[in-house]
Amino acid sequence: SQQGEEDPQALSIQEGENATMNCSYKTSINNLQWYRQNSGRGLVHLILIRSNEREKHSGRLRVTLDTSKKSSSLLITASRAADTASYFCATKVQGAQKLVFGQGTRLTINP
Amino acid sequence: KAGVTQTPRYLIKTRGQQVTLSCSPISGHRSVSWYQQTPGQGLQFLFEYFSETQRNKGNFPGRFSGRQFSNSRSEMNVSTLELGDSALYLCASSWTAGTGTYEQYFGPGTRLTVT
Repeated sequence: SQQGEEDPQALSIQEGENATMNCSYKTSINNLQWYRQNSGRGLVHLILIRSNEREKHSGRLRVTLDTSKKSSSLLITASRAADTASYFCATKVQGAQKLVFGQGTRLTINP
Repeated sequence: KAGVTQTPRYLIKTRGQQVTLSCSPISGHRSVSWYQQTPGQGLQFLFEYFSETQRNKGNFPGRFSGRQFSNSRSEMNVSTLELGDSALYLCASSWTAGTGTYEQYFGPGTRLTVT
């Protein structure tokens, strides 16, 4: 079963706008990671936030983590057409040597 | 550094056949994980190998198996293929052992179609 649930399942915005995706999970984690997948290809690691961190930035990406609510959000600022992809959150569960992925958010940036 | 490579990229098989997929991790990475991705079930963890040992296994039937060689290359095998095995199979490698961050580097995947 999926550890993470992502919201929304699909998001369509205009180029230049900000995009926010949310992820909720169920168990205690070591870290939470966000990945991007372009259509039918492999996943690309975007950013990792550890369980003792609350916010992290990388370029146009901002990730927040609220362990009390077991949730995370990914914000992409000033979106570009090239950001069109599916975005997945993945949790490194404590004590398990694996990542558990959410169902993903399909983001479409309209020119 | 070369990325994770997977072969073949595309495969068409018939029900009842078996298939072997190959994955070469990034040089120096000792952990290799396999995932199955389908539209209905999303990304599901199959198994993970570290130093030729299976460390973790997902909830898949015994028809799915894998192994890792001393050079960290990994293969996964699916026997007695079923239509539902049609999926994108992704391999990911990681250098982290123990309780590290477990950041994964993914290959492009093998698209398996079972007819």
